[in-house]
Order: sequence, then structure tokens, then C-alpha cells
Amino acid sequence: DAGVTQSPTHLIKTRGQQVTLRCSPKSGHDTVSWYQQALGQGPQFIFQYYEEEERQRGNFPDRFSGHQFPNYSSELNVNALLLGDSALYLCASSLSTGVRNEQFFGPGTRLTVL
Amino acid sequence: AQRVTQPEKLLSVFKGAPVELKCNYSYSGSPELFWYVQYSRQRLQLLLRHISRESIKGFTADLNKGETSFHLKKPFAQEEDSAMYYCALRGMNTGFQKLVFGTGTRLLVSP
Repeated sequence: DAGVTQSPTHLIKTRGQQVTLRCSPKSGHDTVSWYQQALGQGPQFIFQYYEEEERQRGNFPDRFSGHQFPNYSSELNVNALLLGDSALYLCASSLSTGVRNEQFFGPGTRLTVL
Repeated sequence: AQRVTQPEKLLSVFKGAPVELKCNYSYSGSPELFWYVQYSRQRLQLLLRHISRESIKGFTADLNKGETSFHLKKPFAQEEDSAMYYCALRGMNTGFQKLVFGTGTRLLVSP
């Protein structure tokens, strides 16, 4: 099992563009969470998907949206990119059964907005 | 509001010296506390959680509800402990789903 995988590894966009980041969860996991990690900061929770629905959301604008597919993989979409969206985007997967399950993190996608 | 504070950005020690990485939290209720570690060029991974009450790689952390702290300790640091350490919490108020992270402490262990 490769664990949580994310693509692409790096991405460069310009202001105003739109971007889609992808995540495949660890085998057997059905829940995907997304985090944004700005330089020098800890990860910040964006939202979580379970059963193809957004279950919980952090303090991020509507420009950030997501999707979960029947195979549990997920996408993070960001519209109208701002310079401040430059960050490492982390995906974490977990199992829904048992509320205290561990979240396993992917390697991240480094987004640079010019 | 939920908040995690790690006051030190960098902690530099010599091999064999004791290590204490500080973590304080703010939360109304009973949170679950974690330490995550990120070694160079590796992904973020769970080091330990307070409910497990176990020692991992020689590290321990005790939840002090009175001082709202969850400091990470190791009696004798090793060079391979050099990494970025993040304290995090999640709580019943958010259904135990969302992790709230501190800003992290970089531990540098010199020979």
C-alpha cells in the first residue's frame, strides 16, 4: 500500500486562475480531509469529505471547493487564485468507523501562485 | 476557540541532552492531543497521542489539563530526532474530525 498519494507534486499558477489538486486515500480509508500549510505555519483544516459529501469545513472562502468520488478519492478546487493561496496542500485519509481514528497524511502538493 | 501554541520555533540541543518541546492549548471541553513529526523530505506522521499513554522512539507526553499543556519530552536526544514537530488537537465539539495544529517547533540535535 503506497499510503495516501497526491498529484501533482508541484504546480505553478497565476493570479485569477483555477486549480485542481487530487488525492487518493490509503487503502481501506473512506474519509478525506484537506489542509493548507503556508510557509512557517502549521497545517490549517480546509474541509473533510465522507460519503461524497462535505462533512465539515474550516474557515476558508467559497473559492475553495471539493469533491469525493465513489472510490473515495478526492479533489480540491481553488478558483480565482490569490497570491496568498501559495502553500503546501495536504490531504489526509482516515476510516470513518470510530471517531478517534488516526489521519494519515500524503506528501502534499506545493502550489505557487505568481 | 480552539488554539494550539508552540512558543519555540527552533530548539537546538546536543546529542544526549534532554529535550522538552512545549505545547499549550485552548479548548472548551476535553480535547484529544497529538504530536506529529515531519522528518526531512518525509510526510507528516503521527508520533504519539495522549490517549495511548505510550512512549514512541523514547518520547513521552503528558496531558496536564490544569495547565492546558501537552509538552513532548525525551531524556536523551539523538541526532535522528532532528525534525519538525507539530502539536495538534481535536475535540468532541467538532465531532473529533478536524485537527488544529500549532505552528511547529524545529528540533535540531547536534553531535
